[in-house]
Amino acid sequence: GENVEQHPSTLSVQEGDSAVIKCTYSDSASNYFPWYKQELGKRPQLIIDIRSNVGEKKDQRIAVTLNKTAKHFSLHITETQPEDSAVYFCAAKARGSTLGRLYFGRGTQLTVWP
Amino acid sequence: EAGVAQSPRYKIIEKRQSVAFWCNPISGHATLYWYQQILGQGPKLLIQFQNNGVVDDSQLPKDRFSAERLKGVDSTLKIQPAKLEDSAVYLCASSPLGGGQHNEQFFGPGTRLTVL
Repeated sequence: GENVEQHPSTLSVQEGDSAVIKCTYSDSASNYFPWYKQELGKRPQLIIDIRSNVGEKKDQRIAVTLNKTAKHFSLHITETQPEDSAVYFCAAKARGSTLGRLYFGRGTQLTVWP
Repeated sequence: EAGVAQSPRYKIIEKRQSVAFWCNPISGHATLYWYQQILGQGPKLLIQFQNNGVVDDSQLPKDRFSAERLKGVDSTLKIQPAKLEDSAVYLCASSPLGGGQHNEQFFGPGTRLTVL
């Protein structure tokens, strides 16, 4: 099955700085890569996703890049704010895998200091 | 639209006891997922239903875990008997479609299980 590695496990930044979280995946057939944000005690929520036919996608202060050759994808958050503090999970879904099954990374605890 | 509902939100039991969790997905969503999220880790899929049929239960410890989705709507996940290592948050998620199409999974608030 797919194996998703996520780094770093914790990340602290000053408000206004940028934050980058990186993930690698093992199955070259994976073709869908969502990112979820989970605030303390709350449910994971999708913040952005990217498909394998696209190299980059932006949505206001967040962006995701995908390098299929290297099998890695990254989340970029610019102009960070304290409300960005949360655990972020990357995930991957293989084209040939069971319908809709996502494999998640272990998560990155992002702390944004005011 | 209303989100995915789960109950109970918290449950504390002793090992070897039984426990059941309930999930009501978003109306009209064909696919329902149960995930186990151990502290400090990402969610791990336990079982996936499309309508009322199981499409993936390869990671479900079938000697103690069971799940059903009668009538293709609500679902229950049961653990019998529970072990200490079952302590985790159990997340239910639903998505509109299945069939390998890419579509967002909407998560419920989860049930935090503590096994003593």
